[in-house]
Amino acid sequence: EAAVTQSPRNKVTVTGGNVTLSCRQTNSHNYMYWYRQDTGHGLRLIHYSYGAGNLQIGDVPDGYKATRTTQEDFFLLLELASPSQTSLYFCASSDTTEVFFGKGTRLTVV
Amino acid sequence: GDQVEQSPSALSLHEGTGSALRCNFTTTMRAVQWFRKNSRGSLINLFYLASGTKENGRLKSAFDSKERYSTLHIRDAQLEDSGTYFCAAEAGSNYNVLYFGSGTKLTVEP
Repeated sequence: EAAVTQSPRNKVTVTGGNVTLSCRQTNSHNYMYWYRQDTGHGLRLIHYSYGAGNLQIGDVPDGYKATRTTQEDFFLLLELASPSQTSLYFCASSDTTEVFFGKGTRLTVV
Repeated sequence: GDQVEQSPSALSLHEGTGSALRCNFTTTMRAVQWFRKNSRGSLINLFYLASGTKENGRLKSAFDSKERYSTLHIRDAQLEDSGTYFCAAEAGSNYNVLYFGSGTKLTVEP
């Protein structure tokens, strides 16, 4: 079974704080994604990558950086967190067909 | 973007009854995937369809790329079916980017 592990599962930070969300997949998938999910919206794509060192901009990239250090690891960086970034973040990986999601990271910016 | 329109936004069913969720697409999609977000926040893969229909237990899904829609039918609803259901459509890109509907919150009542 495909495995995508996110850490931390919950995080509280202050406005202006620096946060890194981690994602690791053990599926040997090329593609990895970061989404955010907010009430009334579907999941919205922040950044994605099709391999180590590659980064593509998604639909809502403002305020976020990402880095794909290895095939397994994809990080989402918030260097100056704002309350509008309070959300549930999902990481995902995929092969050429289905997408598999992590369990999510709930981030609160106070 | 607004490539995916999901309805209804909320649905209440009594145990043993059934209904259908629908996603309409503004453009031709290559495939569709259905997820359920459970009470713990995990996104569970339900179906992946590139065409036609698939059935799994009390769930059945259909996807018509030409007519630009997909449906998810639930029959004999059970309490554990409660959750938020998302459809996600895959456009013609090479990166498996998914466009999500805004979700259907299903409540199954005794």
